[in-house]
Amino acid sequence: AQSVSQHNHHVILSEAASLELGCNYSYGGTVNLFWYVQYPGQHLQLLLKYFSGDPLVKGIKGFEAEFIKSKFSFNLRKPSVQWSDTAEYFCAVNKGNRDDKIIFGKGTRLHILP
Amino acid sequence: EPEVTQTPSHQVTQMGQEVILRCVPISNHLYFYWYRQILGQKVEFLVSFYNNEISEKSEIFDDQFSVERPDGSNFTLKIRSTKLEDSAMYFCASTWTSGGLLYNEQFFGPGTRLTVL
Repeated sequence: AQSVSQHNHHVILSEAASLELGCNYSYGGTVNLFWYVQYPGQHLQLLLKYFSGDPLVKGIKGFEAEFIKSKFSFNLRKPSVQWSDTAEYFCAVNKGNRDDKIIFGKGTRLHILP
Repeated sequence: EPEVTQTPSHQVTQMGQEVILRCVPISNHLYFYWYRQILGQKVEFLVSFYNNEISEKSEIFDDQFSVERPDGSNFTLKIRSTKLEDSAMYFCASTWTSGGLLYNEQFFGPGTRLTVL
């Protein structure tokens, strides 16, 4: 069965620090990969996605993620975080079909100190 | 920009009562989903729905749960007899068919917070 592992449950950083959140998935076939963000009190928003092509994906708000197929990883990065990035971040995967459930990781709660 | 909407935003009910959570997917979408997130836990898949029938359901989606697309626009999740452990945020999602491209970004609604007392 598919699964998604996020390495960090809670990350605390100061503003302007660099961010990298780890994500690994377990599925050997074609996958679609996602990072979702959930700001306090708000719903899930798509941060970025990978379906095919360039493994370095750029998303909104300066985030990017790199798909490394050999490592089954899709780590999220941002060179300089802001206080407004405080949120919970979910890595997610589904198979390359049109109708397939998304499997979410447990999430990483990111807290940025002003 | 089109978006998925859900009503109500918050539902409080007594244990054993029936609840119906409503979703209006994006109008040209054909695939519909329900997920839930128990407080402090990850988002979990419940069920997928296509062409007026369930495509896949998880172990969570037992006989107490049902889904329906009653009128071509709404997509509902019914819990027949709620339990305390059903308290969670329930998210609806939808996606479109892309004519053979493997492109299936799911768009999520804002969620309904269900509290079972």
